[in-house]
Amino acid sequence: GEDVEQSLFLSVREGDSSVINCTYTDSSSTYLYWYKQEPGAGLQLLTYIFSNMDMKQDQRLTVLLNKKDKHLSLRIADTQTGDSAIYFCAETSGSGGYQKVTFGTGTKLQVIP
Amino acid sequence: SAVISQKPSRDICQRGTSLTIQCQVDSQVTMMFWYRQQPGQSLTLIATANQGSEATYESGFVIDKFPISRPNLTFSTLTVSNMSPEDSSIYLCSVRQGIEQFFGPGTRLTVL
Repeated sequence: GEDVEQSLFLSVREGDSSVINCTYTDSSSTYLYWYKQEPGAGLQLLTYIFSNMDMKQDQRLTVLLNKKDKHLSLRIADTQTGDSAIYFCAETSGSGGYQKVTFGTGTKLQVIP
Repeated sequence: SAVISQKPSRDICQRGTSLTIQCQVDSQVTMMFWYRQQPGQSLTLIATANQGSEATYESGFVIDKFPISRPNLTFSTLTVSNMSPEDSSIYLCSVRQGIEQFFGPGTRLTVL
């Protein structure tokens, strides 16, 4: 079955780097996502990574994937107060016409000015 | 990316009533989904809305409680029937374009 876990809370100082971790269980996941949810808002797709990659960088965001350990991380460089939000990782499962996205428990990032 | 709108954005309803949530997408999409996010929780998939056929429900969700319509490739509705306070949640419409999955702003439902 699918089960995606994250630590619940992370606090960092403005300007530092943030690292949000995620573990998943479905080794057949073809791609994994990171989403951001600000208070009272919907989910914003930040980035995704294919399962055959081990790293993806997009401006201040770096995604690392360790398939052996089924571990995914999101690093935010130079964290800003606007980065304060809940971050969800998500994995895909299933195949063909039916692919399901399972979300992690979410990590609340607090950025201290 | 797809632009998704939902109506209503929020509502307060009485126990035993029903509420229909609308989802409109600015482009035609094949895959359309409904999720629930209970207070302080992650997202749970309710069902996949299939155009021209019955929705595919996840374990724990049934058509009688959450009837879904999908009349075309840009529109879907989710009805929350015979509501109870346990149905208080944010309900989110989502679409998939290629490998990217996008979400609407959500409908915040409070049941008294």
